[in-house]
Amino acid sequence: GENVEQHPSTLSVQEGDSAVIKCTYSDSASNYFPWYKQELGKGPQLIIDIRSNVGEKKDQRIAVTLNKTAKHFSLHITETQPEDSAVYFCAAGDYKLSFGAGTTVTVRA
Amino acid sequence: DTGVSQDPRHKITKRGQNVTFRCDPISEHNRLYWYRQTLGQGPEFLTYFQNEAQLEKSRLLSDRFSAERPKGSFSTLEIQRTEQGDSAMYLCASSSLRDEETQYFGPGTRLLVL
Repeated sequence: GENVEQHPSTLSVQEGDSAVIKCTYSDSASNYFPWYKQELGKGPQLIIDIRSNVGEKKDQRIAVTLNKTAKHFSLHITETQPEDSAVYFCAAGDYKLSFGAGTTVTVRA
Repeated sequence: DTGVSQDPRHKITKRGQNVTFRCDPISEHNRLYWYRQTLGQGPEFLTYFQNEAQLEKSRLLSDRFSAERPKGSFSTLEIQRTEQGDSAMYLCASSSLRDEETQYFGPGTRLLVL
């Protein structure tokens, strides 16, 4: 089955700086790569996704890149704000998603 | 669009008891998924339905677990003879026919087995 590894496990950034989270996956058949944000006591919220036929996608301060050859994808958050503090999960798959272990992001004011 | 809803949000039970959770997907979403999330980990796939048909079950879903979606709308997840290791957040997600890959999650049901 699919195995997704996510790094780093924790990330502390100064407000206004950028945050980068990296994930690798094992199954070359995976063609869908979403990112979720989870706040305490809540379910995961989809923030951006990318499909295997696209190398990069951007939505305001959030961007995701995908390298299918190397089987890795990354989340970039620019101009971080305190409300970006949360746990972020990457996932890979198609109809069935395999998730990374999560990155706890703390934005220092 | 009211989003995916789950009930109850929290459940405390004693070991050996049965529990049942309910999930209401986004209206007209034909796919419904169940995941389990333990502390400090990402969600793990348990099972999914397309309309009323249960199409796949993970090996994580032991014989004590059963899920149904009788009319292709809401779904229930039942755990029989609960064990302390069942303590986790149980998440439900749904996706539409037009965009089957994009899954929207509910708030989850947090289960604590004493």
